[in-house]
Amino acid sequence: SQQGEEDPQALSIQEGENATMNCSYKTSINNLQWYRQNSGRGLVHLILIRSNEREKHSGRLRVTLDTSKKSSSLLITASRAADTASYFCATDARNRDDKIIFGKGTRLHILP
Amino acid sequence: SQTIHQWPATLVQPVGSPLSLECTVEGTSNPNLYWYRQAAGRGLQLLFYSVGIGQISSEVPQNLSASRPQDRQFILSSKKLLLSDSGFYLCAWSGRPNSNTEAFFGQGTRLTVV
Repeated sequence: SQQGEEDPQALSIQEGENATMNCSYKTSINNLQWYRQNSGRGLVHLILIRSNEREKHSGRLRVTLDTSKKSSSLLITASRAADTASYFCATDARNRDDKIIFGKGTRLHILP
Repeated sequence: SQTIHQWPATLVQPVGSPLSLECTVEGTSNPNLYWYRQAAGRGLQLLFYSVGIGQISSEVPQNLSASRPQDRQFILSSKKLLLSDSGFYLCAWSGRPNSNTEAFFGQGTRLTVV
């Protein structure tokens, strides 16, 4: 079964605006990761946040983690057309033999 | 550096035919290996997970099987394909448990069963 659940399922914003995607999960985790997938391609890792971290930055990406609410958010600032893709959260869950389980993803479309 | 190879990129197979998708990893040893399936516009469903040679964990009952004959080789198979086996199959590897490393993906195989 899915561990992570992203929302919204789809998001369209104007180029230059910020995009925020959320992820909720069910069980205790070692870490939470965000990935990007261009249409018809494999996934590319963006950022990993450990369970003892609350916020992490990488370029235009900002990830937060709230383990008390079992939720995470991915913020992409100053969006570009090239950011159009699907974004997935994934968890490395402690009670699932450290298997990496993915959510259903958010389809992000940046409008020119 | 580590790389992962998955082939073929696309495959069209008739119902009832066998299937063999291969995935190999280079530049690392004793990786965790994964097979995921992605339906169109959907998330990734974990099919199989392996922590070592000959050690396969099946996540969902299905028409598929997996094998790991060598440390860095992961094979997805079927004896007789069903229409419902169509989808985008992704192989991935990650570091050892508790190493806090990310998963690295192959480019995927688009399987169409006709």
